[in-house]
Amino acid sequence: KAGVTQTPRYLIKTRGQQVTLSCSPISGHRSVSWYQQTPGQGLQFLFEYFSETQRNKGNFPGRFSGRQFSNSRSEMNVSTLELGDSALYLCASSLRDKSNEKLFFGSGTQLSVL
Amino acid sequence: AQSVSQHNHHVILSEAASLELGCNYSYGGTVNLFWYVQYPGQHLQLLLKYFSGDPLVKGIKGFEAEFIKSKFSFNLRKPSVQWSDTAEYFCAGRKGSGDKLTFGTGTRLAVRP
Repeated sequence: KAGVTQTPRYLIKTRGQQVTLSCSPISGHRSVSWYQQTPGQGLQFLFEYFSETQRNKGNFPGRFSGRQFSNSRSEMNVSTLELGDSALYLCASSLRDKSNEKLFFGSGTQLSVL
Repeated sequence: AQSVSQHNHHVILSEAASLELGCNYSYGGTVNLFWYVQYPGQHLQLLLKYFSGDPLVKGIKGFEAEFIKSKFSFNLRKPSVQWSDTAEYFCAGRKGSGDKLTFGTGTRLAVRP
């Protein structure tokens, strides 16, 4: 069974540009969540989707947005990129949206903003 | 705001030493707690989780954690570490259904052979 797939693996952008990151969950998983990982900050929660509905949103500016499609694949978009957006963006999927559910993580997309 | 804190940012141990990594949470009421591990070059993966029942939870690779409600703690332990335990460890928590999963800042463990 394939794991969580994130594309692209690496991305280099300049300030002011926008970027779209993609996540394909494990087959059959309906819940997808996104995290921003930076050294010293750990994982900061961005959003969580279940069956195309956003269930939770973290404390990020409106430049960060996401969506989930009917096949459970998810995308996140960051507009007007800033230097501070450089980070590893992780996607995780789970079978259900239960609070004790185990998350399966992808390898992440490493975004560098120059 | 609900939070999860890890006090040890970097830990260095020799093989066979005992390990305890601290984790505290600020949730009241029902809580679900997790430890995830990220080995070098690998995905984050679940070590163990607590959601109800026996407060002593056993996970993979000989790890265990104890939920102590009175101390708002969920410390990770292993009696004897191996070089292969070198990794970054993250504590995470959430309230009941509908709450987001909050991670601590992580603890980097280096085990000397």
